[in-house]
Amino acid sequence: QLQLVQSGAEVKKPGSSVKVSCKASGGPFSIHAISWVRQAPGQGLEWMGGIIPMFGSANYAQKFQARVTITADESTKTTYMELSSLRSEDTAVYYCARAPSVYQYYMDVWGKGTTVTVSS
Amino acid sequence: EIVLTQSPGTLSLSPGERATFSCRASQSVSSNYLAWYHQKLGQAPRLLIYGASTRATGIPDRFSGSGSGTDFTLTISRLEPEDFAVYYCQQYGSSPYTFGQGTKLEIK
Repeated sequence: QLQLVQSGAEVKKPGSSVKVSCKASGGPFSIHAISWVRQAPGQGLEWMGGIIPMFGSANYAQKFQARVTITADESTKTTYMELSSLRSEDTAVYYCARAPSVYQYYMDVWGKGTTVTVSS
Repeated sequence: EIVLTQSPGTLSLSPGERATFSCRASQSVSSNYLAWYHQKLGQAPRLLIYGASTRATGIPDRFSGSGSGTDFTLTISRLEPEDFAVYYCQQYGSSPYTFGQGTKLEIK
């Protein structure tokens, strides 16, 4: 059964970048989309973008288009989300999640989340 | 971008009662690509329903989804203690794949 293991918590300064990883184990990787979803403290869920590893190209929400880069390394079954020009409002838990269908971005397997804190 | 509005904001019910959650979209959701999740405090969301009405693997049949176009409903027929959580709808018919703001189900 697929599991997604995310990297550990990060504390970053405003203006810097953060790169969060999400490693898949126990199931197929390349054929499924991986999405990144964030949740600010006490707030709801926000889809940032996603990637289908075997295709390589990512799809981003316009809100994050200029600042986020999602990549995948098929050799290590790992997906990465890099967010640049960090500000305090980017403080959130960042989740990776699998979409079981290439064409349908609902998410059936989730990582446990990575807390990113942006503070001077 | 499709905006999803969930109601009510908070639902106060007792175990054994029936819960009904509403999710209204600002425009029609393509192919009824609407999913429901719940999230307990400190945990990742869990998929309950996709395709508006199909239960995800391992989800008990007290959970049911219905609706089409712009109006969708999640119903829990008889609440169990473990059902008290925050519920989100998500549309995945058109990018960006937006979520509703959530409905908190609390114990009365």
